[in-house]
Amino acid sequence: NAGVTQTPKFRVLKTGQSMTLLCAQDMNHEYMYWYRQDPGMGLRLIHYSVGEGTTAKGEVPDGYNVSRLKKQNFLLGLESAAPSQTSVYFCASSYRRMLISNQPQHFGDGTRLSIL
Amino acid sequence: AQKVTQAQTEISVVEKEDVTLDCVYETRDTTYYLFWYKQPPSGELVFLIRRNSFDEQNEISGRYSWNFQKSTSSFNFTITASQVVDSAVYFCALSNTGNQFYFGTGTSLTVIP
Repeated sequence: NAGVTQTPKFRVLKTGQSMTLLCAQDMNHEYMYWYRQDPGMGLRLIHYSVGEGTTAKGEVPDGYNVSRLKKQNFLLGLESAAPSQTSVYFCASSYRRMLISNQPQHFGDGTRLSIL
Repeated sequence: AQKVTQAQTEISVVEKEDVTLDCVYETRDTTYYLFWYKQPPSGELVFLIRRNSFDEQNEISGRYSWNFQKSTSSFNFTITASQVVDSAVYFCALSNTGNQFYFGTGTSLTVIP
C-alpha cells in the first residue's frame, strides 16, 4: 500500500518551460488536492478535485492547470513556468466524508520544483 | 471566509520543558474540522489530530494534548516534557464541509538538548 505517490521528487526548469507533476493514490479516495508550500506561507491550496472528471480552483490557481481523468491520478500542469512558481508542491487525498477515516488527508512526500 | 492564524513563527525550548503552540481560526460555518500536522526536517507531513466542531472535548495522547475552545476560536497544542525529536514545523488547519483545507503559516519548534 503506497498511499500517495508524487513524481518527480525534484525538478529544475527554465522560465517558460512546461511540465506536469503526477500524483497517484491507491486508497480509492474521492478527493484529491494540490498545494504549494512557500517559506512563511504555510500550505496553500492550488486546485482540488472531488471526483473523476471534476476539478475546482483553490486559493492560488493562477498559472496552473489540473486534470483528473482517472480516480487515482491527479495531474498538476505548469504551461509556462515562472520563477514565482519555485516551491515545494504537495499532493493529498482524502475520503469524501471525513468521518469515515480518522486520517482525513494523506499527503505525498512533496516535489521540490525550481524555476530558473 | 476561512482563516487560520498561527501567530508564533518560531519557538525554542530546552528539552523537557512544556510548550504550547497557538492556533486561532475564523469560519462562518457551524460544522467544521480542525487539524494539527507535523512537518519534521525530512519534509513529510504527519497527521496528528482531527477535531470536529461539535466536539469540544480536549484530548491527550501521550505527551501531546489539545485544547479546543469554540468561545475563543482556538485550538491550541501542548507538548509536555519536550524532546529533541519534537523539533519540527507544526501546522494548524481548518476544513469546512466542502473538504477544502486552510492551513496556518506554521510554527517552527526547536527543542534544544
